[in-house]
Amino acid sequence: EVQLLESGGGLVQPGGSLRLSCAASAFTFSNYAMTWVRQAPGKGLEWVSAINGDGGSTYYADSVKGRFIISRDNFKNTLYLQISSLGAEDTAVYYCARHAGKEAATGTRRYFDYWGQGTLVTVSS
Amino acid sequence: SYELSQSPSVSVSPGQTASITCSGDKLGDKYAAWYQQKPGQSPVLVIYQDNKRPSGIPARFSGSNSGNTATLTISGTQALDEADYYCQAWDTSTACGVFGGGTKLTVL
Repeated sequence: EVQLLESGGGLVQPGGSLRLSCAASAFTFSNYAMTWVRQAPGKGLEWVSAINGDGGSTYYADSVKGRFIISRDNFKNTLYLQISSLGAEDTAVYYCARHAGKEAATGTRRYFDYWGQGTLVTVSS
Repeated sequence: SYELSQSPSVSVSPGQTASITCSGDKLGDKYAAWYQQKPGQSPVLVIYQDNKRPSGIPARFSGSNSGNTATLTISGTQALDEADYYCQAWDTSTACGVFGGGTKLTVL
């Protein structure tokens, strides 16, 4: 069964940084694009960033561009999100999710078929 | 940037049909997906490519997409369908994913 397990969340001060991880199992990781989605407390889902299966292309929401970096290690079957210059507006549960296809931004499979349980990032002094 | 709009809430009686809509400019030219999220849980894909159901999703869930509106329809709604529902599409001009604001479905 496909599993996605996020880690790395926690309490961080404004202006600080964290690296989130998402460990994937039970599928050929390099064959799928991956995405990060976040959800602020009591709010809706917000797409954050995506990366192709080979790691060659990355995509970002305007709200995080220049502050967040998505990457992946296909040998370790792990997705990462380096988040920096954090503000209160970045407080959220961060989910990793699998795209249905290898390419994040092209083709007909630009939806998310499996999700992790999420990791909470709280930005506060 | 591309935006998707959903009504904040929809109410339905058990056994009746619930329709949840998602609006966006020329949304019918894109593929829409729908996710169900129950309190304290991760989202679950219930409809993809406008009208396809993943394995394990009951047949009472269906979808359509035309013009500026995508619709998620739940026939014979059950109490366990009470949840937040989000539509999602991909904005090809910015290469970004987009979610609607979510609709809270109440079964009463």
